[in-house]
Amino acid sequence: DQQVKQNSPSLSVQEGRISILNCDYTNSMFDYFLWYKKYPAEGPTFLISISSIKDKNEDGRFTVFLNKSAKHLSLHIVPSQPGDSAVYFCAASKSNAGNMLTFGGGTRLMVKP
Amino acid sequence: DVKVTQSSRYLVKRTGEKVFLECVQDMDHENMFWYRQDPGLGLRLIYFSYDVKMKEKGDIPEGYSVSREKKERFSLILESASTNQTSMYLCASSSGQYQETQYFGPGTRLLVL
Repeated sequence: DQQVKQNSPSLSVQEGRISILNCDYTNSMFDYFLWYKKYPAEGPTFLISISSIKDKNEDGRFTVFLNKSAKHLSLHIVPSQPGDSAVYFCAASKSNAGNMLTFGGGTRLMVKP
Repeated sequence: DVKVTQSSRYLVKRTGEKVFLECVQDMDHENMFWYRQDPGLGLRLIYFSYDVKMKEKGDIPEGYSVSREKKERFSLILESASTNQTSMYLCASSSGQYQETQYFGPGTRLLVL
């Protein structure tokens, strides 16, 4: 059973608008969450992270929100740009598991000019 | 900048062949990982290693083995390739410190005929 789920396989957004990518998890032991971005024919690259002691982390156009009670996190991209078109993976880790990450299935974001 | 390289970008093999995928990192990282990426399933961990000559099974180790004889190099071996091992294979490394991100190579797309 997948412990990290991204229920939307794809998302299409107009340039300049907000993109919201969602992620749900089931394991309450997860205490650190990351978002990775992946372009075709490239490996995933780290985008932004959040610790479970926070509910929001912001880095430029990217903000991650964490709702621990709902076991839900989301990535907001404002404003969206065509270069943001990629697959986005949510990942989670536990403090007693070293750097091991559990990934979601990914969401393909398409930003239309 | 961390660099993780993988020996091949594309490979075509026949069923039953032994396949070697090589990964090298240049940041003196303790941890190295092998994942496979399949549509809708995200990244699934095959094997990981915390140190030279040490290996641990991930979520889907069946049909695979690994070797880590030197700190910078982590090899994934398909003892007898099968068509269901057609996939994108991604190598990653990390320092081993808590909440440190993983750095990925560009991936090897393997087709088993």
